[in-house]
Amino acid sequence: QVQLVESGGGVVQPGRSLRLSCAASGFTFSKYGMDWVRQAPGKGLEWVAVILYDGSNKYYADSVKGRFTISRDNSKNTLYLQMNSLRAEDTAVYYCAKGRGGGSYNALDYWGQGTLVTVSS
Amino acid sequence: EIVLTQSPGTLSLSPGERATLSCRASQSVSSSYLAWYQQKPGQAPRLLIHGASSRATGISDRFSGSGSGTDFTLTISRLEPEDFAVYYCQQFSTSPGTFGQGTKVEIK
Repeated sequence: QVQLVESGGGVVQPGRSLRLSCAASGFTFSKYGMDWVRQAPGKGLEWVAVILYDGSNKYYADSVKGRFTISRDNSKNTLYLQMNSLRAEDTAVYYCAKGRGGGSYNALDYWGQGTLVTVSS
Repeated sequence: EIVLTQSPGTLSLSPGERATLSCRASQSVSSSYLAWYQQKPGQAPRLLIHGASSRATGISDRFSGSGSGTDFTLTISRLEPEDFAVYYCQQFSTSPGTFGQGTKVEIK
């Protein structure tokens, strides 16, 4: 069965960096686009970034562009989110999610359980 | 950026009743790129509908999606206790992909 397991969350000071990982199993990781979606405490969902199946293209929300980088290692079945210059408003549960296809325009059919990132001094 | 506006914000209904949730886009969205998700407290979202009207794997036929252009609807034909949750629409027709703010379906 499809499993997505995020890790790397925690408490970090404003301006610092954090890298999230998402270990995938139960499907052919290298064939699917992957997304990061976040949810601030008590708020709705916010799409963060997407990467195509082969890593050739990446797209970002305006709120994170230039600060966050999505990447993947298909040999390790792992998705990453490098987060730099973190701000208090980046505090959220971060979910990785699998796209239904290989491109960037896909509904998200499997989600991880999420990892909490708290940006606070 | 395409803004999705969901209404109502909260829907108070009884089990067995029909729920109709609306998602309106600020500009036209291809039906192929409109999805609906359900989220329960403390859980990750779950895909219900993709392509505006196609049920995801394992989703009950009580859930149906419709619409085109700027107006989309999620209908739950007869609410079961497990259906009380928050529902989000999402468009990925243009980048950045965006979610609506959610509709909470609560027990009346």
